[in-house]
Amino acid sequence: AQSVTQLGSHVSVSEGALVLLRCNYSSSVPPYLFWYVQYPNQGLQLLLKYTTGATLVKGINGFEAEFKKSETSFHLTKPSAHMSDAAEYFCAVSRQNSGGYQKVTFGTGTKLQVIP
Amino acid sequence: EAQVTQNPRYLITVTGKKLTVTCSQNMNHEYMSWYRQDPGLGLRQIYYSMNVEVTDKGDVPEGYKVSRKEKRNFPLILESPSPNQTSLYFCASSLEENNEQFFGPGTRLTVL
Repeated sequence: AQSVTQLGSHVSVSEGALVLLRCNYSSSVPPYLFWYVQYPNQGLQLLLKYTTGATLVKGINGFEAEFKKSETSFHLTKPSAHMSDAAEYFCAVSRQNSGGYQKVTFGTGTKLQVIP
Repeated sequence: EAQVTQNPRYLITVTGKKLTVTCSQNMNHEYMSWYRQDPGLGLRQIYYSMNVEVTDKGDVPEGYKVSRKEKRNFPLILESPSPNQTSLYFCASSLEENNEQFFGPGTRLTVL
């Protein structure tokens, strides 16, 4: 079974400071990895994804994430936080289950607060 | 405009009264899924569908039914809703496995 752990349900950073949101996964085979963002009263939208190839993935709005197989991690970073980054962020893992179908598991989410 | 639509957006109902939440996508996506979002639990997959007439259980399927008779539609059915199904529900679709999922705006359901 696969699982996704997001450390810290709430993270606060000052405007202009580094954003680091942590995600660790457990999977017996290399999964596909995603970060989604949810703004208040909206659905989720994709920030970035890792499938194969380069382990450093760049996404929208200046976010990036690095796939580290040895650490089973896929942490999300942004060098300088902006007020508009305040939202909830979800890490997700996708891989085929025993039936050959896609199985997606989301983390419990991290709410990012940006302090002026 | 490419989108996933859900109806209704808000619903208050009573225990045991059957209801259906509709989901439709106009992107010709094969893969569709239903999730529920609860505070502190993130998104949990209820059911998913790989194509017409092909569905499978997610992590929390109890109390829910789905059908996929047409590629664009994937309704979620609660035959006998209970208060523990009060939640925010999202439908999502993607073109293929492991692709980006496109989410609907959500349906906030309250079961009294």
